[in-house]
Amino acid sequence: GNSVTQMEGPVTLSEEAFLTINCTYTATGYPSLFWYVQYPGEGLQLLLKATKADDKGSNKGFEATYRKETTSFHLEKGSVQVSDSAVYFCALSSINAGNNRKLIWGLGTSLAVNP
Amino acid sequence: DGGITQSPKYLFRKEGQNVTLSCEQNLNHDAMYWYRQDPGQGLRLIYYSQIVNDFQKGDIAEGYSVSREKKESFPLTVTSAQKNPTAFYLCASRMGGTGFSETQYFGPGTRLLVL
Repeated sequence: GNSVTQMEGPVTLSEEAFLTINCTYTATGYPSLFWYVQYPGEGLQLLLKATKADDKGSNKGFEATYRKETTSFHLEKGSVQVSDSAVYFCALSSINAGNNRKLIWGLGTSLAVNP
Repeated sequence: DGGITQSPKYLFRKEGQNVTLSCEQNLNHDAMYWYRQDPGQGLRLIYYSQIVNDFQKGDIAEGYSVSREKKESFPLTVTSAQKNPTAFYLCASRMGGTGFSETQYFGPGTRLLVL
């Protein structure tokens, strides 16, 4: 079945450091891929997405490229800020035999950025 | 403003009591989802609904029930059969039909605590 694997956290960085959070997936067909962010005590917000191979999603300085050859969608940011401290979730779209659409979620990666 | 509202923000349940969590959206989305999030863990799907008057069990439906009588509303009842209900509950919605999208949009969540 479809699945998403994220690197385990927590990840701790200093301000202005380079960030990479790895995400790999297993899927049939051509799913859409997503990164969501969750700030403490809040719901999830869409950070970026990509719908086909080689697409690059970007938002707020974050980027991720849909790599079908390596089944990956790694999240990167060149210079993190304290305000980027949050939990980041990778997800892929899935459709079952009943034509019901869901998202398959990774377990999340906690990021803490120190000043 | 368009969005998803969840109420209450905090909810307390006594032993043997059923409680209902509210989820309302004014985005005109067709599909709605309920997730459970436990500390340090990812999202687990409880129930989802692709269209009014129809819903399907997710991965952890036991001890929960839902209804979808109106497009904008998808309440979740946590029954007394759910023996470990303490968690953060998240509601999400997604556009279907001609404006179809895989992207889910989330409410702010309800934290349920057992007394």
